[in-house]
Amino acid sequence: GAGVSQSPSNKVTEKGKDVELRCDPISGHTALYWYRQSLGQGLEFLIYFQGNSAPDKSGLPSDRFSAERTGGSVSTLTIQRTQQEDSAVYLCASTPGGDTEAFFGQGTRLTVV
Amino acid sequence: GENVEQHPSTLSVQEGDSAVIKCTYSDSASNYFPWYKQELGKGPQLIIDIRSNVGEKKDQRIAVTLNKTAKHFSLHITETQPEDSAVYFCAAMDSGTYKYIFGTGTRLKVLA
Repeated sequence: GAGVSQSPSNKVTEKGKDVELRCDPISGHTALYWYRQSLGQGLEFLIYFQGNSAPDKSGLPSDRFSAERTGGSVSTLTIQRTQQEDSAVYLCASTPGGDTEAFFGQGTRLTVV
Repeated sequence: GENVEQHPSTLSVQEGDSAVIKCTYSDSASNYFPWYKQELGKGPQLIIDIRSNVGEKKDQRIAVTLNKTAKHFSLHITETQPEDSAVYFCAAMDSGTYKYIFGTGTRLKVLA
């Protein structure tokens, strides 16, 4: 594909349900990032994958949040037992690795009702 | 680890005036400093970047300056236009982990 693809673009879920957000990075990009952006706020780092290294999970806000990256490509961010404060736009970005431009997807807007 | 601070959080300028956004970083070993523009409903997009071996870089109406000694870098937009209205983020790359750390963003409004 031409860019980073995220799905779904919008997700409304009931409080307490689990959700999975998907990110398809640019082919060949070894680094993948997840960020959370609450309404009108900045980019909150969640997790970072680089090649085959152990992911940097230091930004995950609680143990309800987890992410995996299969085969060094597609990544899934899972939020268990969703809470209203989880409502935000979740952005994924990928880079070829090293100090290079990050390419962002359009984001998934999650609303927990 | 790296920490990035960004100011101001909001900025309003008249069309045609200049806008300046400033960021500071904490990791003296960081060597890559990009700026991103985020329009409503979209993901951030790179508009300009600078590396630590360069003090200034220009691209048409946009310029970025870097002061390594003071550990700060700035975005300058000249002759602002309404389409420049957006949220701008600075970032620094942690030299040890290559992790992007973003500033908190500046909402720029260009008044026609």
